[in-house]
Amino acid sequence: NAGVMQNPRHLVRRRGQEARLRCSPMKGHSHVYWYRQLPEEGLKFMVYLQKENIIDESGMPKERFSAEFPKEGPSILRIQQVVRGDSAAYFCASSRGALTYEQYFGPGTRLTVT
Amino acid sequence: GESVGLHLPTLSVQEGDNSIINCAYSNSASDYFIWYKQESGKGPQFIIDIRSNMDKRQGQRVTVLLNKTVKHLSLQIAATQPGDSAVYFCAENSGTGNQFYFGTGTSLTVIP
Repeated sequence: NAGVMQNPRHLVRRRGQEARLRCSPMKGHSHVYWYRQLPEEGLKFMVYLQKENIIDESGMPKERFSAEFPKEGPSILRIQQVVRGDSAAYFCASSRGALTYEQYFGPGTRLTVT
Repeated sequence: GESVGLHLPTLSVQEGDNSIINCAYSNSASDYFIWYKQESGKGPQFIIDIRSNMDKRQGQRVTVLLNKTVKHLSLQIAATQPGDSAVYFCAENSGTGNQFYFGTGTSLTVIP
């Protein structure tokens, strides 16, 4: 049973480009969460999705960031017109149910904006 | 000008000793807590969880203690091993919201 998969593991983008981060949840999990982690900091919640629905995006910046979790395929976190401050590790987690269930994390995507 | 950065709390222990990592939480409505271990370059890994109707839970070599009166959580690791070196985070959720709130973490270094 494969764990949570994220790709790419490392992504380098120039300022102004778009970044697309992918997350495939564990088999049987329909709840996906995205977090951002800056160096030496804890994880900050960004968005919570259930298949085809955004449940809570209160942690997402209002502009340039979007997320989706289509019926088929991975969840995508999209950052348009990246800036240096977007450089961080982005982790996705999945769970079988809502927040009373354990979240399993992927290995993360490390985004570097040059 | 001078820049001030965030520094993780650190804990160094001798191999074989017991480790205690502490976490204070702020929301008295939080009713589910998880401890995660994060090794360098990897995602957080679940260690143990506890619900607010309990004050202690034991796993293999780990024990979590919950003191709701002072909103404090601790993780005890018995017979600490070099492989336990990592950053440890506590996470809480209120059960009504959709978020887990993570602490800033504690960096544990095990000295062989």
